[in-house]
Amino acid sequence: QKEVEQDPGPLSVPEGAIVSLNCTYSNSAFQYFMWYRQYSRKGPELLMYTYSSGNKEDGRFTAQVDKSSKYISLFIRDSQPSDSATYLCAMSADTGGFKTIFGAGTRLFVKA
Amino acid sequence: DAGVTQSPTHLIKTRGQQVTLRCSPKSGHDTVSWYQQALGQGPQFIFQYYEEEERQRGNFPDRFSGHQFPNYSSELNVNALLLGDSALYLCASSLRQGWVGELFFGEGSRLTVL
Repeated sequence: QKEVEQDPGPLSVPEGAIVSLNCTYSNSAFQYFMWYRQYSRKGPELLMYTYSSGNKEDGRFTAQVDKSSKYISLFIRDSQPSDSATYLCAMSADTGGFKTIFGAGTRLFVKA
Repeated sequence: DAGVTQSPTHLIKTRGQQVTLRCSPKSGHDTVSWYQQALGQGPQFIFQYYEEEERQRGNFPDRFSGHQFPNYSSELNVNALLLGDSALYLCASSLRQGWVGELFFGEGSRLTVL
């Protein structure tokens, strides 16, 4: 079993839709939960991070962490064609950036 | 302020050869992590360097080795290349103190093994 599971998609939605992206994990030691966005032929870039459980909102993006269920989500409101990319969940067990584990990534297509 | 830079951007090798990839971290960062990203997959952690020492290692064989220099730049070496080593190799830098989960990635070195 992989430490982090993420549905690779692809996920295709119309412009303006609400997008829900999810990951599950098995390592209960994970404390930092991140979402990265990766455009084609580019390196990933950090969208949001959350420490432990709870919600975090940044503009059109909301990240949720449910440690009891070992489940994290990223919601994108009013999705735009420019949101078309691969979204990677990532997790780390401790501070200092010792070892960040990534999910497989979900490819998202937002159609105009 | 330059971000993370990697070289070369593309390279082609044959099985059994050796390759060296290079990374310069973002200014002010002291930690470098290397990841392998196969097509359609997420980045797989290879190892991390801090203070010129390998601090953490993923499930990669000893054919994968690295180095960090006093200026924090880093190299990834892969010996006895296999076809399965074909991938995008990503370097990510971070600042160890006060880290909250952000890794800054370069655009990667795409290795093709024939």
